Amino acid sequence: EPEVTQTPSHQVTQMGQEVILRCVPISNHLYFYWYRQILGQKVEFLVSFYNNEISEKSEIFDDQFSVERPDGSNFTLKIRSTKLEDSAMYFCASGTRSSYNEQFFGPGTRLTVL
Amino acid sequence: GQQVMQIPQYQHVQEGEDFTTYCNSSTTLSNIQWYKQRPGGHPVFLIQLVKSGEVKKQKRLTFQFGEAKKNSSLHITATQTTDVGTYFCAGSNTGNQFYFGTGTSLTVIP
Repeated sequence: EPEVTQTPSHQVTQMGQEVILRCVPISNHLYFYWYRQILGQKVEFLVSFYNNEISEKSEIFDDQFSVERPDGSNFTLKIRSTKLEDSAMYFCASGTRSSYNEQFFGPGTRLTVL
Repeated sequence: GQQVMQIPQYQHVQEGEDFTTYCNSSTTLSNIQWYKQRPGGHPVFLIQLVKSGEVKKQKRLTFQFGEAKKNSSLHITATQTTDVGTYFCAGSNTGNQFYFGTGTSLTVIP
């Protein structure tokens, strides 16, 4: 069964450093999402992406964040200058946006900012 | 901004008992989704509800969307230990941005 993959599974970085989180969505999906989940808390929407552009973004997704689909298979989230409060699990999701509108989540990347 | 609250935050039940979690949105939704997240895992899609008053069933799970499309519920009949996890609702106005609820963590005691 096709699945969303994410790399790395765990990223440790120093405050102020740039990180890039990578995702490979399911191949025939057209809609892509990034979410984050601080430990023990709810899942928070960051951004949705379709047709090579951002569809919607939340208040969390400020100028420090950017997304890209560089090569038709990968979908990346970049955080330019990480802060301590960026420590969280970051989930990528993809979907076909059929009437069923199911989102398939990847296993997540745990980001730890020291 | 949009807020989606769930109650209860935690629920412990004996295996075989029923379980219900309730989801309430501060605004009217176009659709609502439900997800299950096992400890240490990622959210897994369960279902989407779109119509006012809609009720859908999946085996022992019953999902309901309120008439005003501002609330929803998930009911599990005769819980099993495999039902353990956190259940999240996720509401949307546009279909592109989903507001996840605060989640209900279910523990099933064998």
